[in-house]
Amino acid sequence: NAGVTQTPKFQVLKTGQSMTLQCAQDMNHNSMYWYRQDPGMGLRLIYYSASEGTTDKGEVPNGYNVSRLNKREFSLRLESAAPSQTSVYFCASRLQGSYNEQFFGPGTRLTVL
Amino acid sequence: KNEVEQSPQNLTAQEGEFITINCSYSVGISALHWLQQHPGGGIVSLFMLSSGKKKHGRLIATINIQEKHSSLHITASHPRDSAVYICVLHPAYNTDKLIFGTGTRLQVFP
Repeated sequence: NAGVTQTPKFQVLKTGQSMTLQCAQDMNHNSMYWYRQDPGMGLRLIYYSASEGTTDKGEVPNGYNVSRLNKREFSLRLESAAPSQTSVYFCASRLQGSYNEQFFGPGTRLTVL
Repeated sequence: KNEVEQSPQNLTAQEGEFITINCSYSVGISALHWLQQHPGGGIVSLFMLSSGKKKHGRLIATINIQEKHSSLHITASHPRDSAVYICVLHPAYNTDKLIFGTGTRLQVFP
């Protein structure tokens, strides 16, 4: 099992460009998440999907859109990138239920110039 | 007031020392998760707790639900333990929206 995979690992964008970050998991998990991590700050939830076909906003959703394409895949789109979106982005997944831990992808380091 | 507080924010230790990292919280939870983030950025799950104590190798995690407090202990610390340790709450009111602590940065010197 590959666990949680993310592509790309690194990306540099110019202000105003768009891109999609891809995430996939092969653990048959219901819930999937997108977080951003900025220097000196904890992980902050952007969006999450409790199940296929549903998505909900997290703490910092502005400037992002998501798609839960199927049970395996959850993508994050930046329509018009801004320097404030320079960050490391982590995707995670877990089985629904109080006692189920999250599994994290390796992260995508995004720089917006 | 933050729902979760970790202390200390930064910690340095000599190899072999006993380490304690604390996590205090103010919301009702169904479980608490300890994560380790390596200097390269990868995030690894250490423990999931809902009560009592768990041990894995040199790592021990405890939780006191009544006092709303959890601790992560590292015995005989080693430079490879250098990482950021993150406490994550699974709130009882919404099991999907997890609450992350800001992390404790540990450096262990030889």
